[in-house]
Amino acid sequence: DSGVTQTPKHLITATGQRVTLRCSPRSGDLSVYWYQQSLDQGLQFLIQYYNGEERAKGNILERFSAQQFPDLHSELNLSSLELGDSALYFCASSVAGVSNEQFFGPGTRLTVL
Amino acid sequence: AQSVAQPEDQVNVAEGNPLTVKCTYSVSGNPYLFWYVQYPNRGLQFLLKYITGDNLVKGSYGFEAEFNKSQTSFHLKKPSALVSDSALYFCAVRDGTGAGSYQLTFGKGTKLSVIP
Repeated sequence: DSGVTQTPKHLITATGQRVTLRCSPRSGDLSVYWYQQSLDQGLQFLIQYYNGEERAKGNILERFSAQQFPDLHSELNLSSLELGDSALYFCASSVAGVSNEQFFGPGTRLTVL
Repeated sequence: AQSVAQPEDQVNVAEGNPLTVKCTYSVSGNPYLFWYVQYPNRGLQFLLKYITGDNLVKGSYGFEAEFNKSQTSFHLKKPSALVSDSALYFCAVRDGTGAGSYQLTFGKGTKLSVIP
């Protein structure tokens, strides 16, 4: 158990809908990262937050957004969902410092029908 | 830009034999390198990392990795494979001189199958 929690574990929804994925980082970790894992794209970095502020953006679509709250939990919002958004979404957290490893949550499997 | 290549989609090895999972990287600054393992329907688990110092890094579950700067490689090794090592292995890199952004760039993964 990495100490990173993600809810829900599974999410099934329809095209055009909006969903919110939630992540609670390990105690003491200020950085939160979101990744998307799909068969064709592999593991792709989406976005990073550090202590409530956006720090870096990767291959995140404009339909997707995220935020990190004062209690350090984070939410990833996916809107106008398309079939191609079906994937595993991982949250990871780390302490500050470029040499520190990230600890991954169990993921949320999103299925868009 | 940083990138990682894992040239083998799949590696098969007999139980008890040594295993190697290959990784090469490209990064403009100092490389910080990581190996993660993913079991079916699970998140990624950290195995080991290279930051600086000794080129041979030891990690969890008996795994080790060898950093080779001239070949820009960071191969994962284990002297004696177990059936329970069968999983998906990811190599990742981060530019150690990057300011503020600590994102990891992952390879496509290598599926390791250990045959009893």
